[in-house]
Amino acid sequence: GAGVSQSPSNKVTEKGKDVELRCDPISGHTALYWYRQSLGQGLEFLIYFQGNSAPDKSGLPSDRFSAERTGGSVSTLTIQRTQQEDSAVYLCASSLTRSVDEQFFGPGTRLTVL
Amino acid sequence: AQSVSQHNHHVILSEAASLELGCNYSYGGTVNLFWYVQYPGQHLQLLLKYFSGDPLVKGIKGFEAEFIKSKFSFNLRKPSVQWSDTAEYFCATPSGGSYIPTFGRGTSLIVHP
Repeated sequence: GAGVSQSPSNKVTEKGKDVELRCDPISGHTALYWYRQSLGQGLEFLIYFQGNSAPDKSGLPSDRFSAERTGGSVSTLTIQRTQQEDSAVYLCASSLTRSVDEQFFGPGTRLTVL
Repeated sequence: AQSVSQHNHHVILSEAASLELGCNYSYGGTVNLFWYVQYPGQHLQLLLKYFSGDPLVKGIKGFEAEFIKSKFSFNLRKPSVQWSDTAEYFCATPSGGSYIPTFGRGTSLIVHP
């Protein structure tokens, strides 16, 4: 079946603007993760959704970042009042169950804040 | 909190050379260990994983990794690399009691033909 998809693939915005990044996980996957990947850095965890449970927001770097997941499927990551240091590739991943297992990653959204 | 260290940030090899990429983790309890690979222009994908059992794990494309509990290590190996192995390699493991994998900084591997 289809893999994890993300949109847009690229986003260029001006400092101070809000952006929304979308993730469509693999159908039936209950766990969804957002990561941020900066040049030369590893993957920085942002937020984790599992079914109908409250999300784990412990990785969000500031209150300008928020995310929601509607109907246990599509997720949107919102960054308000973007800053240049927000420039990165934002990756979404999903996995089948709650337990530790393989993550399936999307292609990412490359965000550039001018 | 769990930390994952990948000591080799950039590795350059010629085809047919042997490869070993280091990965060390900090958590001493039950571990679940992963290696992911990101080929140029492609998604991150699973290379191999270790949950329990035989500490020598075989993955795709001839890769293997060995879990050594006493050394807190899970090094990735391949006896003979190919140009097509050029990619970024990430080691990952969840923190104790968490389902959220912590990733290392990654190792960029370039294989010259």
